Amino acid sequence: GQQLNQSPQSMFIQEGEDVSMNCTSSSIFNTWLWYKQDPGEGPVLLIALYKAGELTSNGRLTAQFGITRKDSFLNISASIPSDVGIYFCAGQDADKVIFGPGTSLSVIP
Amino acid sequence: NAGVTQTPKFQVLKTGQSMTLQCAQDMNHNSMYWYRQDPGMGLRLIYYSASEGTTDKGEVPNGYNVSRLNKREFSLRLESAAPSQTSVYFCASHTGTVNTEAFFGQGTRLTVV
Repeated sequence: GQQLNQSPQSMFIQEGEDVSMNCTSSSIFNTWLWYKQDPGEGPVLLIALYKAGELTSNGRLTAQFGITRKDSFLNISASIPSDVGIYFCAGQDADKVIFGPGTSLSVIP
Repeated sequence: NAGVTQTPKFQVLKTGQSMTLQCAQDMNHNSMYWYRQDPGMGLRLIYYSASEGTTDKGEVPNGYNVSRLNKREFSLRLESAAPSQTSVYFCASHTGTVNTEAFFGQGTRLTVV
């Protein structure tokens, strides 16, 4: 079946540092999504990517849809304490949204 | 804006008991999903419904049944709960067209003892 892999699994960074995380897939997706989940909450959409090669920004967040359609990355610049959480990538085809295992981010003030 | 609403938020069951998790969305979305999330793991798809009247198995369907009651509601049933079903369950919905994103409920934390 379709599988997504995310790296790194977890990160500890100093406040103010930039962060980069990746997502790869064994399958091609038409849409890539990045979500953030805070403790005790449901995932919240950060960025949606709809075209191969697309580079999209949302404030301090930048994400790219890989040209092969099998990967995506998310960058966070100048991290702040509220960036703490689990970041999930998700690939969407016609019917399903499949999630990666997540990258846990901790920001040290 | 309600979005996706799940009930209950918390539940404790004894092994062998049954229960139904409810999910409703008010965004007129065609597709609805049930995921489970376990510690250190991502969201795994249990069942999904691409449109009213249809349901399909996801990655981990065993031990669960679903009903797409109408366009708004998609319920998940555990007929005989097992400790391995202790998890946080999330319902999600999206329009059903390719270039749209899924929206999530707040989750149901289920413990089976």
